[in-house]
Amino acid sequence: KAGVTQTPRYLIKTRGQQVTLSCSPISGHRSVSWYQQTPGQGLQFLFEYFSETQRNKGNFPGRFSGRQFSNSRSEMNVSTLELGDSALYLCASSLDPRTPEAFFGQGTRLTVV
Amino acid sequence: LAKTTQPISMDSYEGQEVNITCSHNNIATNDYITWYQQFPSQGPRFIIQGYKTKVTNEVASLFIPADRKSSTLSLPRVSLSDTAVYYCLVVNNTDKLIFGTGTRLQVFP
Repeated sequence: KAGVTQTPRYLIKTRGQQVTLSCSPISGHRSVSWYQQTPGQGLQFLFEYFSETQRNKGNFPGRFSGRQFSNSRSEMNVSTLELGDSALYLCASSLDPRTPEAFFGQGTRLTVV
Repeated sequence: LAKTTQPISMDSYEGQEVNITCSHNNIATNDYITWYQQFPSQGPRFIIQGYKTKVTNEVASLFIPADRKSSTLSLPRVSLSDTAVYYCLVVNNTDKLIFGTGTRLQVFP
C-alpha cells in the first residue's frame, strides 16, 4: 500500500509569506504528527492530530498551525515566515495514537529567503 | 517523559556487529523502548521496540536489562547502507514521539 505522501517536496518562500504543507497518511491511519528538523535543533515535535482533533502540541509559536480533515489528511500552515523556519518538515502517520510504530513521509524541504 | 542519552557518534566497518547503548534512567512502568533509523533527507523509520529482555527482528536485536534503565540496539554484520542516525525513544501509548539527538553511525568499507 502507498506510504505517507507529503507535498510539495521542495518549496522556496520569502520572509513574511505564508506556506501550507500537505500530508496524506497511509490508508486506514487516523493519527498524523508533524515534525520540524533542522541541523541545529534536530527533530522537534510540532503537533499531533487524531480524528480531526489536535491531541498534542509542541513548543512552537502560534505562527505554526495545523488541521486534519475527515479523510485523515492533514495540513500545516506557517504564517509570517522567518529565515529560521527553513527546515525539513516531516509528517508521520500511525493507526492511532496508541500505536508505537509511526511511518514517516519523505518530508517537505522549506527554504525561506 | 523519560529522557534518553546515547552516544553522539560511532564508527564501524562492514561486517562488524554494532551495539548502540541508550540510557533512560527515569523510564516509567508503562514505557516502551523504541528505536528509529534515519537516512539523510528522509523521514525516520521504525526499527524495533521492546519492553524487557530481548527482542529480535529481521533488522536488529534489542537487549533490555531487568532494571530497564538502559537498552542496547544490536546491528549484526553492518554494511555501508546501515550508515544513518539511530534514535532511541522511550514512549507509552499516550505520548507523542520525542526524538533526541540520536547516534550517528558511520560504516566504513
